[in-house]
Amino acid sequence: KQEVTQIPAALSVPEGENLVLNCSFTDSAIYNLQWFRQDPGKGLTSLLLIQSSQREQTSGRLNASLDKSSGRSTLYIAASQPGDSATYLCAVRDDKIIFGKGTRLHILP
Amino acid sequence: ETGVTQTPRHLVMGMTNKKSLKCEQHLGHNAMYWYKQSAKKPLELMFVYSLEERVENNSVPSRFSPECPNSSHLFLHLHTLQPEDSALYLCASSPQPGLQGYGYTFGSGTRLTVV
Repeated sequence: KQEVTQIPAALSVPEGENLVLNCSFTDSAIYNLQWFRQDPGKGLTSLLLIQSSQREQTSGRLNASLDKSSGRSTLYIAASQPGDSATYLCAVRDDKIIFGKGTRLHILP
Repeated sequence: ETGVTQTPRHLVMGMTNKKSLKCEQHLGHNAMYWYKQSAKKPLELMFVYSLEERVENNSVPSRFSPECPNSSHLFLHLHTLQPEDSALYLCASSPQPGLQGYGYTFGSGTRLTVV
């Protein structure tokens, strides 16, 4: 059974710092991995989608990597801003889409 | 708006009420989903519809009744709910589930409170 774990559960960093969020999954037989952002009480916004054949995807200050063989993905956020404060969710897709519990990120002004 | 619209945004209902949540997408997607998000729990998949047919029902209590009249609209009918059903209900869509290379698009959710 696929399980997705996100560490840490919560993270606070000063504005301007670069940071890395981690996601691990137990079954490497996935089709893709998707990172989402969720603001409090709101829906999910897709940030990056990495296909199983890809190693990374970039969008602006965000870079997501995928190491399928080791069951890991990272989301790198460069030059963090207070507006980046949100919960970041990782989801892998095999027969279903399985979500982690998320990392709650707080950027300190 | 992400392309998936959910109404209402907030709903407070009594345990004896009947209400419905609505989801609408105009992305040309053929699959639609209902998810439940409770505090400190991962997102839980409730129902999957592909081409208007229910293809998955993850042991959801019968007090939740989905309806998919066409590929653009999805409803979740609620009746005799319990306080523990209070949660954020999220709708999502994607190209057909068989197209595994595609990601999901989520709506903004309906915050449901059962009193």
